[in-house]
Amino acid sequence: QKEVEQNSGPLSVPEGAIASLNCTYSDRVSQSFFWYRQYSGKSPELIMSIYSNGDKEDGRFTAQLNKASQYVSLLIRDSQPSDSATYLCAVRGAQKLVFGQGTRLTINP
Amino acid sequence: DTGVSQNPRHKITKRGQNVTFRCDPISEHNRLYWYRQTLGQGPEFLTYFQNEAQLEKSRLLSDRFSAERPKGSFSTLEIQRTEQGDSAMYLCASSGELRRGNEQFFGPGTRLTVL
Repeated sequence: QKEVEQNSGPLSVPEGAIASLNCTYSDRVSQSFFWYRQYSGKSPELIMSIYSNGDKEDGRFTAQLNKASQYVSLLIRDSQPSDSATYLCAVRGAQKLVFGQGTRLTINP
Repeated sequence: DTGVSQNPRHKITKRGQNVTFRCDPISEHNRLYWYRQTLGQGPEFLTYFQNEAQLEKSRLLSDRFSAERPKGSFSTLEIQRTEQGDSAMYLCASSGELRRGNEQFFGPGTRLTVL
């Protein structure tokens, strides 16, 4: 079992709709969770961090964490074509980050 | 605002050659990380420095790989006797000690191609 799992996609969403990205992790003691956006050929860009159960909102992005279910998700409201990218879920293990393989998201105009 | 910088951005080398990459972290950050990313995968941790001390190394970091951070500022990653399997994007990230959760910010990466 991989430490951090994501559906690799591709996930296709119409412009203006809500995109929902999911991630599960195996280490129950993990305390810090991150979402990175990565455009093709570029490096990962941190877009959300979440540490407590519940929801955290930042603009069009909402991160959701459920530690009991070992599940973290990212919602993107009013999806734009510029949101088309690979989204990486990362879980902090001691100091290093452990990444999922990423979900490729395509927003269709 | 100066982010993490990496040089070179691209490196093409022949199998068996040595290569060295440089990373300059965000100036106030004392923690520096190296990751490697291959196509279709998430980044994989290689090694971590706090100030000048190398505190953790992945099993991925074979004896052909060495990293240094001599004065606790910039870091170098050297790969000796490169192999085609070393072709990847090498990413450097930094974080500040006081930031909750240890948010890590990535540089643009160095793309290595071994022919």
